[in-house]
Amino acid sequence: QKEVEQNSGPLSVPEGAIASLNCTYSDRGSQSFFWYRQYSGKSPELIMSIYSNGDKEDGRFTAQLNKASQYVSLLIRDSQPSDSATYLCAVKGGDDYGGSQGNLIFGKGTKLSVKP
Amino acid sequence: SAVISQKPSRDICQRGTSLTIQCQVDSQVTMMFWYRQQPGQSLTLIATANQGSEATYESGFVIDKFPISRPNLTFSTLTVSNMSPEDSSIYLCSVREEGYEQYFGPGTRLTVT
Repeated sequence: QKEVEQNSGPLSVPEGAIASLNCTYSDRGSQSFFWYRQYSGKSPELIMSIYSNGDKEDGRFTAQLNKASQYVSLLIRDSQPSDSATYLCAVKGGDDYGGSQGNLIFGKGTKLSVKP
Repeated sequence: SAVISQKPSRDICQRGTSLTIQCQVDSQVTMMFWYRQQPGQSLTLIATANQGSEATYESGFVIDKFPISRPNLTFSTLTVSNMSPEDSSIYLCSVREEGYEQYFGPGTRLTVT
């Protein structure tokens, strides 16, 4: 059973702080990793993708990947109340996963609350 | 990224009836998927909608319950058949573009009474 694990939270941080969201995955063959943001009552929105070990920065967001540790994280700098949402980690399984075409496996999400 | 629309955005249906959800994309896409998100839960893949052929269903989902059509590269439908309250969920259409990035439609919120 290939899994993606996230701390469900809620993770509460003060405005202006760094929010750190973590995700581990079980499929060592995974090559593609994604972070989605989902506001309450809305559909998931892709905010970051990462394919190589190391850091990838996009504005206030930094994704970090460590394939040896099977760990991916998302840092949100200068957190704003508008960042309050559930953040979903998704991992693209190997091409033979479940007979599907390497589809995304989602974690259960971490709920982030940024307090003004 | 592609612009994805879904109809209806929400519906309340009676037990035993069926609902067809439409997904329209503003550009041709090869890979299109249907997901379910039950209250307070993460996303579960129902099936991959294949253009011109039968959909590929994930474990736990069957064609009789969730028939899918994909007549062309911009459109797909998902039918939820013989509904029960356990089918109350958000149903999401998703497309994969170049590479492996996937984008989601706005979703259809279904309540079965």
